[in-house]
Amino acid sequence: DQQVKQNSPSLSVQEGRISILNCDYTNSMFDYFLWYKKYPAEGPTFLISISSIKDKNEDGRFTVFLNKSAKHLSLHIVPSQPGDSAVYFCAASGASGTYKYIFGTGTRLKVLA
Amino acid sequence: DAGITQSPRHKVTETGTPVTLRCHQTENHRYMYWYRQDPGHGLRLIHYSYGVKDTDKGEVSDGYSVSRSKTEDFLLTLESATSSQTSVYFCAIRTGEGEQYFGPGTRLTVT
Repeated sequence: DQQVKQNSPSLSVQEGRISILNCDYTNSMFDYFLWYKKYPAEGPTFLISISSIKDKNEDGRFTVFLNKSAKHLSLHIVPSQPGDSAVYFCAASGASGTYKYIFGTGTRLKVLA
Repeated sequence: DAGITQSPRHKVTETGTPVTLRCHQTENHRYMYWYRQDPGHGLRLIHYSYGVKDTDKGEVSDGYSVSRSKTEDFLLTLESATSSQTSVYFCAIRTGEGEQYFGPGTRLTVT
């Protein structure tokens, strides 16, 4: 049972345009959500997070939106740059009162110059 | 950089041999985690620790054990390695704010 889903395995975007990466979850008890970027042969890098009491969080070019009623979050990257090309993972935590993190399967973003 | 190192970075071992991977952190974080990353599966939690000698299982704990005898080190042991345990293994810590930071990974090949 996949509690956190990233249904798009890949996405291509032109440089300078907006990239939108999506993530759905099934467990309404999750209270904290995170996005990571991963380059080949490196560990995932934390990008941005959001608590379930908020619906938006912004950090520079990155904005995360949370829609609790739809159990959906998205990461917007504006403007997209070639260096943003990587695999992006969403993650959720807080269910069952533990600090376990459940990850999605990732979306590979390619930003075309 | 959360001061996380993993050793070894690469290892090739034979089926049936024991293997221990080490994660070391320098910032005294209470929570530490071991994940494996496989194509099509993303990152899956193996075990995590919420303090010295305090550990709990994750989604894919079968065939793995962990130990944490001091705050800075979290060891992952494969008692008898199998080919299905060929993977990239990542260690992570959790900060007080809930963010996770990862080490550089260990690529393990079981032949």
